[in-house]
Amino acid sequence: QVQLQESGPGLVKPSETLSLSCTVSGGTISSYYWSWIRQPPGKGLEWIGYIYYSGSTNYNPSLKSRVTISVDTSKNQFSLKLSSVTAADTAVYYCARENTALALDYWGQGTLVTVSS
Amino acid sequence: DIQMTQSPSTLSASVGDRVTITCRASQSIGTWLAWYQRKPGKAPKLLIYQASTLESGVPSRFSGSGSGTEFTLTISSLQPDDFATYYCQQYNNYPRTFGQGTKVEIK
Repeated sequence: QVQLQESGPGLVKPSETLSLSCTVSGGTISSYYWSWIRQPPGKGLEWIGYIYYSGSTNYNPSLKSRVTISVDTSKNQFSLKLSSVTAADTAVYYCARENTALALDYWGQGTLVTVSS
Repeated sequence: DIQMTQSPSTLSASVGDRVTITCRASQSIGTWLAWYQRKPGKAPKLLIYQASTLESGVPSRFSGSGSGTEFTLTISSLQPDDFATYYCQQYNNYPRTFGQGTKVEIK
């Protein structure tokens, strides 16, 4: 059974960079697309972007200038960096796998990141 | 971006009820639609993909239908484990977009 687990600081200061990792267990990170999604309090789900195991990426244009997603196949892990954060970036961040049918079939439980000084 | 609109936002129902949730896309997405269930503190769960294909392990009381711009998720007989929030998502275009969610509450 594939499992995903997000990790990283729960509190980030304004203007700094939010950094999260997602560790994949029970399966290989190879041959799939790996996504980040977030949900601000009281708002809907927002797709941030994905990375293919080979390293190719696709980002939401609304965040593209601030987002970097990377992959480390040796650690079965992929990561999110979001720069110049503001309070509007406070959200529960999820990592997920996009299956061959392009739906998100495995998700992490989510991690709350608060942007505050 | 393709806008996804779910209705209703909240639904009160009893165990055994038939429940239908609607999702509308701002432009045609074919059948590139998925439905997810989310419970507090748990990972979201894929229920349906390609508008009507049941994910492995998902109870058959869940079904999906529709194409183009209008889609429905139906729970044929609501069970206690089904009280949760449900989201639709289009994957016809990038960026992927989600509906705002439908919370199914106990009546």
